[in-house]
Amino acid sequence: QKEVEQNSGPLSVPEGAIASLNCTYSDRGSQSFFWYRQYSGKSPELIMFIYSNGDKEDGRFTAQLNKASQYVSLLIRDSQPSDSATYLCAVNVRSQGNLIFGKGTKLSVKP
Amino acid sequence: DTGVSQNPRHKITKRGQNVTFRCDPISEHNRLYWYRQTLGQGPEFLTYFQNEAQLEKSRLLSDRFSAERPKGSFSTLEIQRTEQGDSAMYLCASSLVGPNEQFFGPGTRLTVL
Repeated sequence: QKEVEQNSGPLSVPEGAIASLNCTYSDRGSQSFFWYRQYSGKSPELIMFIYSNGDKEDGRFTAQLNKASQYVSLLIRDSQPSDSATYLCAVNVRSQGNLIFGKGTKLSVKP
Repeated sequence: DTGVSQNPRHKITKRGQNVTFRCDPISEHNRLYWYRQTLGQGPEFLTYFQNEAQLEKSRLLSDRFSAERPKGSFSTLEIQRTEQGDSAMYLCASSLVGPNEQFFGPGTRLTVL
């Protein structure tokens, strides 16, 4: 059973703080890793992807991947109330086209 | 707006009726995916196409579900004899072959009464 696990939250952080979202996955054949943001009632929006071990930065977002520990994380710096949403971690396993999603972590940024 | 469109956006139907949803992917994307999402869950994979070929189907996709992508452009997802358990958001996504960054459409919310 291929699984992607996320803490459902809610994770509450004050405005301007760093939000740290975590995800673990079970299949060592996983090759690529994605973070989606989903506002209530809307569809998922791709915000970051990472394929290699280490960090990848894009604006206020940093994705971190550790394949040995089967762990991927998303850091959001200078969190804003508009970042309040559910963040979905998704994994693509080699030879498969589909993504396997976690249940998401709900983030709340308080002004 | 990702460039992926879905119609209708909302569908209310009675149990036992058939429904069909349409997805138009980003024009240069040759892969098209269907997912289903229920409240509090992440999207669950249903099926995907590369051009017009249906390459993979989930075990979630019962015999009542069928999907087509006849000319490798838009796709339709049909649910026959709908059941209350089919109520969900049906999401379509598209990507290029190789990089698997998938971009989602706005979804079709199905309510089965």
